[in-house]
Amino acid sequence: DVVMTQSPLSLPVTLGQPASISCRSSQSLVHSDGSTYLHWFQQRPGQSPRRLIYKVSNRDSGVPDRFSGSGSGTDFTLKISRVEAEDLGVYYCMQGTHWPPYTFGQGTKLEIK
Amino acid sequence: EVQLVDSGGGLVQPGGSLRLSCAASGFTFSDHQMNWVRQAPGEGLEWVSSISRSGDTMYYADSVKGRFSIFRDNAKNSLYLQMNSLRAEDTAVYYCAGSPWYAYWGQGTLVTVSS
Repeated sequence: DVVMTQSPLSLPVTLGQPASISCRSSQSLVHSDGSTYLHWFQQRPGQSPRRLIYKVSNRDSGVPDRFSGSGSGTDFTLKISRVEAEDLGVYYCMQGTHWPPYTFGQGTKLEIK
Repeated sequence: EVQLVDSGGGLVQPGGSLRLSCAASGFTFSDHQMNWVRQAPGEGLEWVSSISRSGDTMYYADSVKGRFSIFRDNAKNSLYLQMNSLRAEDTAVYYCAGSPWYAYWGQGTLVTVSS
């Protein structure tokens, strides 16, 4: 199974400042079809997960452009250019290249410093 | 508007059974693989099971294989998870999630396995 490792697990941030979350996979996430199935999800307190980014860098409809995804192979990053209060919660990366099983990172808790 | 509504959770004794349901609307249900993901209290997300668009191919996490069954009724735009031989470690919020690539999520339904 592909192991997804996120860092940091806790990220204290100051509102208005940038934030960055790393996600590393135990093997390359490049599929034989050429796509990389690495997605990012946000889970606000008490809510269901919500997809933010699909296939590394594609922002979902309604997601603010302060969120961006990048990376390749085994190394991926979610960046928030300027953190706002509504961004607080837990962020997960997930791979869908080598499934089953689909595997998630442990989650990174974004909180106010 | 896409909507997934999870239901069927509750308190069940170890060894018991429960059937979860997910009612879908706002998209062509039969065009998409569907999935179940769970989250134990205070923990992260864990994939549980997936089913193909037609319902003829199912996949399970090792932790639930042989105990859980996923199925769907495309005529009713519904997804199900039959959970048998439940254990304390199955206690979690269960979410149905729709592909492509987990774009849509239900609100979750809480399953508590306890005597």
